[in-house]
Amino acid sequence: DTGVSQDPRHKITKRGQNVTFRCDPISEHNRLYWYRQTLGQGPEFLTYFQNEAQLEKSRLLSDRFSAERPKGSFSTLEIQRTEQGDSAMYLCASSFGLAGRETQYFGPGTRLLVL
Amino acid sequence: QKEVEQDPGPLSVPEGAIVSLNCTYSNSAFQYFMWYRQYSRKGPELLMYTYSSGNKEDGRFTAQVDKSSKYISLFIRDSQPSDSATYLCAMFQGAQKLVFGQGTRLTINP
Repeated sequence: DTGVSQDPRHKITKRGQNVTFRCDPISEHNRLYWYRQTLGQGPEFLTYFQNEAQLEKSRLLSDRFSAERPKGSFSTLEIQRTEQGDSAMYLCASSFGLAGRETQYFGPGTRLLVL
Repeated sequence: QKEVEQDPGPLSVPEGAIVSLNCTYSNSAFQYFMWYRQYSRKGPELLMYTYSSGNKEDGRFTAQVDKSSKYISLFIRDSQPSDSATYLCAMFQGAQKLVFGQGTRLTINP
């Protein structure tokens, strides 16, 4: 399978715990994106990387959220001190190009439930 | 007011019907438009990607863009039960960030 993969697919945690999600983009894609999707809504942009550099962060990404892409390949998204409002589907996407506006290919998502 | 408005439905039609899905947007800087399909508990997959005003056809799917009215549409001909999904319109804000509509949940009844 050469698509975007995400792990875990589901995560249940208690309020206040830390969680970390992983995304493996399509091989050789230089851009990687994180989006959050709540029930009945479209995905909302969180952040994106070009290679290992994090170039844009949404105001939705509070200081409890941190994302990394250490070697320009896979990425991790960590949420510290989770809150019930963090319950959502976290989607990763990747694309390849130089000019921007390339097709973004999405992974299956990680569904987070904070109790 | 959201930058991209999409009727959330749900929309239910019989098999074989023509389906029309629509989005409006407020930011005239949006120039690139996409339609994604999302099956339950899956990630979105790209269906159509258009730039110019006018129509773009791909099999049973036609994407229509009217920049003067800030209005885009997706038409599905000869709809099939396998088309049952949530359809999301999306637009680029800048070069990297996608802004999505709320999604329209579509059911095709056999």
